[in-house]
Amino acid sequence: QMQLQESGPGLVKPSETLSLTCSVSRYSIFGDNYWNWIRQSPGEELEWIGSVYHSGRTYYNASLNSRATIEIDTSKSEFSLKLTSVTAADTAVYYCASEGGRSGNRYFDSWGQGILVTVSS
Amino acid sequence: QSALTQEASVSGTVGQRVTLSCTGNRNNFGSYPVGWYQQISHGPPKAVMYGSSLPSGIPARFSVSKSGTTVSLTISGLQPDDEANYYCSTWDSSLGAWVFGGGTKLTVL
Repeated sequence: QMQLQESGPGLVKPSETLSLTCSVSRYSIFGDNYWNWIRQSPGEELEWIGSVYHSGRTYYNASLNSRATIEIDTSKSEFSLKLTSVTAADTAVYYCASEGGRSGNRYFDSWGQGILVTVSS
Repeated sequence: QSALTQEASVSGTVGQRVTLSCTGNRNNFGSYPVGWYQQISHGPPKAVMYGSSLPSGIPARFSVSKSGTTVSLTISGLQPDDEANYYCSTWDSSLGAWVFGGGTKLTVL
């Protein structure tokens, strides 16, 4: 069964860049899956950040005003998130998730455990 | 404010049937299926339904129905382990983004 594991700093200073990595195991990163980042604020709202395909094609949530960059490293079976100019509003649990399923009926079929990132000086 | 609207809380007793609703608009419920995710005690969400399909390992006590721009998740034979937050989600074609509801806290009395 696919496993996803987030890693990265749990504390980031305001105005700096948040950097996280998701390792994919027990599944080929070349599968017909999009690899996503989703975050959950302390108020428990879920927010989709963006996704990447193994080809490198990316999609982003426009609400983040181009602050997010998602990249994939197929040689390491990893994908990453960089979020620039962070503020306290970016404090959240960050999940990586696989988007699978058939075309036209896709869903988030596997999630990492999540990593809490706090933005504070 | 969430793009999809869910009840804040729903409760039921063991064995009962409960229904959770998720209301969207034509941009997000027009043609793309809705997924439902169960989140227990701040763990990661887990899919319990996508479109009208059950992911592997999810019991048939979970079912969905749709009326206009509202999709409903019904849980029959409620079990204590069903107590969780439930989120609906779909692709919003006008936003070009996945969107989520605010979540419903299901309490099993």
